[in-house]
Amino acid sequence: GQQLNQSPQSMFIQEGEDVSMNCTSSSIFNTWLWYKQDPGEGPVLLIALYKAGELTSNGRLTAQFGITRKDSFLNISASIPSDVGIYFCAGPGNSGTYKYIFGTGTRLKVLA
Amino acid sequence: DAGVIQSPRHEVTEMGQEVTLRCKPISGHDYLFWYRQTMMRGLELLIYFNNNVPIDDSGMPEDRFSAKMPNASFSTLKIQPSEPRDSAVYFCASNDPRRIENNYGYTFGSGTRLTVV
Repeated sequence: GQQLNQSPQSMFIQEGEDVSMNCTSSSIFNTWLWYKQDPGEGPVLLIALYKAGELTSNGRLTAQFGITRKDSFLNISASIPSDVGIYFCAGPGNSGTYKYIFGTGTRLKVLA
Repeated sequence: DAGVIQSPRHEVTEMGQEVTLRCKPISGHDYLFWYRQTMMRGLELLIYFNNNVPIDDSGMPEDRFSAKMPNASFSTLKIQPSEPRDSAVYFCASNDPRRIENNYGYTFGSGTRLTVV
C-alpha cells in the first residue's frame, strides 16, 4: 500500500535555528498537507499544497510541493520553544477520495 | 465553532469490557473520520463516513471494532471485547471539502486516550 516516509524521525535544535524536514511517497500525490500535533492534542493543519512546485508560507513556516509530486518539504525559520511537537505530512490515499494517509512524523524538540 | 468534540478524553478499562468512544463533528461537515494513533503504527485511518454513510471501513482492524453515525452530529466507535493491544489514542476528524477555507484538510478532535489493562 501507499506509504509516506518522513525524515528526520526526530531532531533537537537550538532556539533561533532554522529547521528542515521532508516527506516522500511511494506514489504520486495531487495534494500535500502538513500538520502539527502538540502533546495531548489532535493534529492541526498548517499548510495545504495543491500543485507541483508550489511554495506556500504560513508565518515562519514554508512548505513546498516537490516537482516529482512524490515529495514535499517543510521549513521552519527562527524556531521558538512553542514549535515543539510532531509534524506530519499527509496525502490522499487514492486520487479523488478524501481518505488521507499520514506520514510517520518528525518529532521536533527546541532547546531554549 | 466548538470544533470536533470527543469524549471521553481518557478511558481505562479492563480487558474484555466494551468501550464506546464518542464524537461530535463540526456542524455542516459531511465527512467524518476515525483514526487510531500508536507509537508503532502512527496515525491509521479506521473508517470514514460521508453524509452518515460508511464509505470505507477497510482500516477497521477486526470484527471487535464497529462504528456508527446515526445522524450528522454524532458518531461512535465501539470495541467489544476490548484487548490490551487496543490501547491507543483514537481521533475523530471532520471536513467539508466544498468549503474553500477548509483547504481539504481535516479538523481533528483532541482524541480519546484508551488504556486496556
